[in-house]
Amino acid sequence: RKEVEQDPGPFNVPEGATVAFNCTYSNSASQSFFWYRQDCRKEPKLLMSVYSSGNEDGRFTAQLNRASQYISLLIRDSKLSDSATYLCAVNEGTNAGKSTFGDGTTLTVKP
Amino acid sequence: ETGVTQSPTHLIKTRGQQVTLRCSSQSGHNTVSWYQQALGQGPQFIFQYYREEENGRGNFPPRFSGLQFPNYSSELNVNALELDDSALYLCASSFRQGAHSPLHFGNGTRLTVT
Repeated sequence: RKEVEQDPGPFNVPEGATVAFNCTYSNSASQSFFWYRQDCRKEPKLLMSVYSSGNEDGRFTAQLNRASQYISLLIRDSKLSDSATYLCAVNEGTNAGKSTFGDGTTLTVKP
Repeated sequence: ETGVTQSPTHLIKTRGQQVTLRCSSQSGHNTVSWYQQALGQGPQFIFQYYREEENGRGNFPPRFSGLQFPNYSSELNVNALELDDSALYLCASSFRQGAHSPLHFGNGTRLTVT
């Protein structure tokens, strides 16, 4: 079993739809959590950090459930430009440089 | 603010050869990490350097080695290349002491081993 697991998708949704991704992690000692966005053949870029209280950035909402060991990402009012692969990442300790990534969830938003 | 830069962008090597990939960290960041991303998978942690010393290593054999220089730039060296080493190699910089400090990736080097 992988340390960090994501539904690979693909998720194909129409513009304006709301879509949610989940990511589960197996290491209960995990301390910090992130969502990255990766466009085709590009590097991952930070979308948002995930805080215990949950956090929102415009159309994007991230939640953390420590008891069940999963994080989620909700995208509201999907845009064509949201089409990308979404990677979740988990850090075990205070070492920010060592992250364990899921294999990503691919989202395609269609007109 | 200068971002993370990697070179070269693309590289083709033959099995058994050696390769060196280079990375310049984002200004102000003192830690550099290297990741390997195979097609269809998430980035896999190779190792991290802090104060010019290896500070954590993933499940990669010793033929993967690295260096960090006083200016925080870094190199990844891979000896005796294998076909499975074909991947996107990503360098990422961060703050060592920042538990919630995210990774800032370079644009990557796409390595093809034939």
